[in-house]
Amino acid sequence: GPKVLQIPSHQIIDMGQMVTLNCDPVSNHLYFYWYKQILGQQMEFLVNFYNGKVMEKSKLFKDQFSVERPDGSYFTLKIQPTALEDSAVYFCASSLWTGGTTGQLYFGEGSKLTVL
Amino acid sequence: GQGVEQPDNLMSVEGTFARVNCTYSTSGFNGLSWYQQREGHAPVFLSYVVLDGLKDSGHFSTFLSRSNGYSYLLLTELQIKDSASYLCAVRDRGSALGRLHFGAGTQLIVIP
Repeated sequence: GPKVLQIPSHQIIDMGQMVTLNCDPVSNHLYFYWYKQILGQQMEFLVNFYNGKVMEKSKLFKDQFSVERPDGSYFTLKIQPTALEDSAVYFCASSLWTGGTTGQLYFGEGSKLTVL
Repeated sequence: GQGVEQPDNLMSVEGTFARVNCTYSTSGFNGLSWYQQREGHAPVFLSYVVLDGLKDSGHFSTFLSRSNGYSYLLLTELQIKDSASYLCAVRDRGSALGRLHFGAGTQLIVIP
């Protein structure tokens, strides 16, 4: 079936550095999402993105976070600067229609971020 | 606040069935989804319900009771490969674009 690819699968960085997590969504999808999962906890919504704009974001989407999808390439999540509490697995997802009409989001396998 | 609760673990015998429960309390309700997730892999969509009752999708069936804030995922004729984490996710009425509130997942172990 359709796949969402995430790069890197794992990244270790020092606190205060910048990190960019990349997502290659399903090719004809229009809606894009980032979720954050701390080990042992539930996935939590960060942000959704459509037509080049952030549509909704949660309180977890701090000022240090940004998303973009320049010219239909990767959908990226940038964190600058990183903090220890940013250590988590970040899941990217995409959907053709709004995810609410069918509930179906296509998820990537996650990018595990470790901030030291 | 938004709360989606699931039991942490469930164990069932191969060839029988397993029922994964989910209770939720959200600001309105606009659909509930179930996902399967194997460790280190992407969550995979299984089912979506928005109306009360039982929705039969073969190996998986899903029940919803909106008045009780309750859903379950029923897996029948269990196979060892059904061992995975099952995630319940609820969309509240205030979200336009599929903002889901996830439970922490139920780890199902199917034993021979």
